[in-house]
Amino acid sequence: SQQGEEDPQALSIQEGENATMNCSYKTSINNLQWYRQNSGRGLVHLILIRSNEREKHSGRLRVTLDTSKKSSSLLITASRAADTASYFCAVSSGAGSYQLTFGKGTKLSVIP
Amino acid sequence: NAGVTQTPKFQVLKTGQSMTLQCAQDMNHEYMSWYRQDPGMGLRLIHYSVGAGITDQGEVPNGYNVSRSTTEDFPLRLLSAAPSQTSVYFCASSYGGRTDNGQFFGPGTRLTVL
Repeated sequence: SQQGEEDPQALSIQEGENATMNCSYKTSINNLQWYRQNSGRGLVHLILIRSNEREKHSGRLRVTLDTSKKSSSLLITASRAADTASYFCAVSSGAGSYQLTFGKGTKLSVIP
Repeated sequence: NAGVTQTPKFQVLKTGQSMTLQCAQDMNHEYMSWYRQDPGMGLRLIHYSVGAGITDQGEVPNGYNVSRSTTEDFPLRLLSAAPSQTSVYFCASSYGGRTDNGQFFGPGTRLTVL
């Protein structure tokens, strides 16, 4: 079953604008991860936030986690055409963190 | 480092045929996994391994077998292909024997079953 669910399904913005994607999940988690997938390629790990963290930054990426609402958001600031891709959240839950459950993704288009 | 490699890139099978998708990594990662990606479904975990000799089922294991005889290799076997197995298959690995450190993905194998 899909635990992570992204919103919106698709997002189109102009270059230079900020892009925000949201992820909701159903059960308690160990951590939540965000991945990027360019068309026809494998996924690339972007950032991981643990259940005891509320915010994390990496370059132009900012991730927040609200465990009370079971939700996370990914903010990409000053977007570039090269950011055009699908973005997936994945939650790790259960003892051992042996399984990741992915959402269906947000397709981001950045228009030059 | 080559990272995670997968072969073949593309494959067409007839219903009932069997085949093995190959996955290898040169990063000495203990954890390896197989996912399938279908349109509108995201990625779903098929099988995973936390080390050589240890495998376990994920969300959608039926119709697939795996083994892990070495740290480097984690092949996925389709026993009797069905059209429902038409998908893109991704192999991934991570260090530490778990998923907590983020996963490295291979480029994928696009499989069509006629």
